[in-house]
Amino acid sequence: ELKVEQNPLFLSMQEGKNYTIYCNYSTTSDRLYWYRQDPGKSLESLFVLLSNGAVKQEGRLMASLDTKARLSTLHITAAVHDLSATYFCAVSRYPNTGNQFYFGTGTSLTVIP
Amino acid sequence: ETGVTQTPRHLVMGMTNKKSLKCEQHLGHNAMYWYKQSAKKPLELMFVYNFKEQTENNSVPSRFSPECPNSSHLFLHLHTLQPEDSALYLCASSLVAGDSSYEQYFGPGTRLTVT
Repeated sequence: ELKVEQNPLFLSMQEGKNYTIYCNYSTTSDRLYWYRQDPGKSLESLFVLLSNGAVKQEGRLMASLDTKARLSTLHITAAVHDLSATYFCAVSRYPNTGNQFYFGTGTSLTVIP
Repeated sequence: ETGVTQTPRHLVMGMTNKKSLKCEQHLGHNAMYWYKQSAKKPLELMFVYNFKEQTENNSVPSRFSPECPNSSHLFLHLHTLQPEDSALYLCASSLVAGDSSYEQYFGPGTRLTVT
């Protein structure tokens, strides 16, 4: 079974600081996703990464993918309070594993003033 | 309505009740999913439907019964639930085309409490 691991699970960071969330997966994947979830809310799609070396940026968030290392990173630049949320990565290997998406355990990010 | 909608948003039910959760997607997708999200646990995939056909059932107890009458609607029928079934139930949809499955779009979820 494809496994997805994120670290750290919990992250408390000060406003203005930079940090990186890591997502490792256990076997080859055809695409990788990052989602954001606010407390009590649903998941919101942030990025879809399709190929080795892919990099996408939106505001203070930048995601990258290294398929050889089976690693994706979500980099946070100059954090602000609004970024406090839980971030999930997910991978799929359609059609190898049917139409399944495998999610990491999530990283709960708290940005403090 | 746009995106993926779910009703009800909150549900409290006793262990002997029967209820149903409804999901509707307005995105023209052809795959739909039910997930369970419990506190401090990873997102658990329950069921997958591709083109109205169930393709995945991840060892879900029979007290959960899915129904997909068409590619836009998905139901989760609930009966004789247990307190440990209390969780956020999320519906998602995606587009499957050729040999690719594209990103999922999630509904707002139904917060279920079993008493």
